[in-house]
Amino acid sequence: NFMLTQPHSVSGSPGKTVTISCTRSSGSIASNSVQWYQQRPGSAPTTVIYENNQRPSGVPDRFSGSIDSSSNSASLTISGLKTEDEADYFCQSYHSSIHWVFGGGTKLTVL
Amino acid sequence: EVQLVQSGAEVKKPGESLEISCKGSGYSFSNYWIGWVRQMPGKGLEWMGVIYPGDSDTRYSPSFQGQVTISADKSISTAYVQWNSLKASDTAIYYCARLTTATTRFDYWGQGTLVTVS
Repeated sequence: NFMLTQPHSVSGSPGKTVTISCTRSSGSIASNSVQWYQQRPGSAPTTVIYENNQRPSGVPDRFSGSIDSSSNSASLTISGLKTEDEADYFCQSYHSSIHWVFGGGTKLTVL
Repeated sequence: EVQLVQSGAEVKKPGESLEISCKGSGYSFSNYWIGWVRQMPGKGLEWMGVIYPGDSDTRYSPSFQGQVTISADKSISTAYVQWNSLKASDTAIYYCARLTTATTRFDYWGQGTLVTVS
């Protein structure tokens, strides 16, 4: 098994860019795809990035995802920050076909 | 439109039993795995277990094995999670979520069911 570690919180000003990291503890980050979920207060999670860098329809292109094998981590980048982006963000991956792993979540504050 | 609609909030006492539900619509319920995910107050997401309604194949996270029972009734497109004896530490929001056909991620989520044990 592996763990996914995220920073507890990040912040940014409207219009700026923030990046949230998700580091895999063992095994290669490239072995299994990484997803990112956004959870606004009082709401269920929704997908903003899937399969490392794919955006579902309806998610603005201000959201982008990537993986970096050198740091064994995935990243979610949000550019042109808006107040509506303020939320918790969770990364998620899996190993084998029946075991899913979530990161601990990162609270994004838009100052 | 794919929808997962969960049953309403519950307030229970320690030691009581409980079953909450998740009704799927807008897709072939039998042919997609459904998972249950726990979110304790102010905390992150934890997968509890998954079920394939087509044949009721069920898998549990080691952390939840023996603590809950997951079931499904494909005739009414509904999945369930059941507790026999609730503890205060079961207080959480419980989400059902559909897995993609590749089972790598959760693509649709229910609105969540708040369970309070006190």
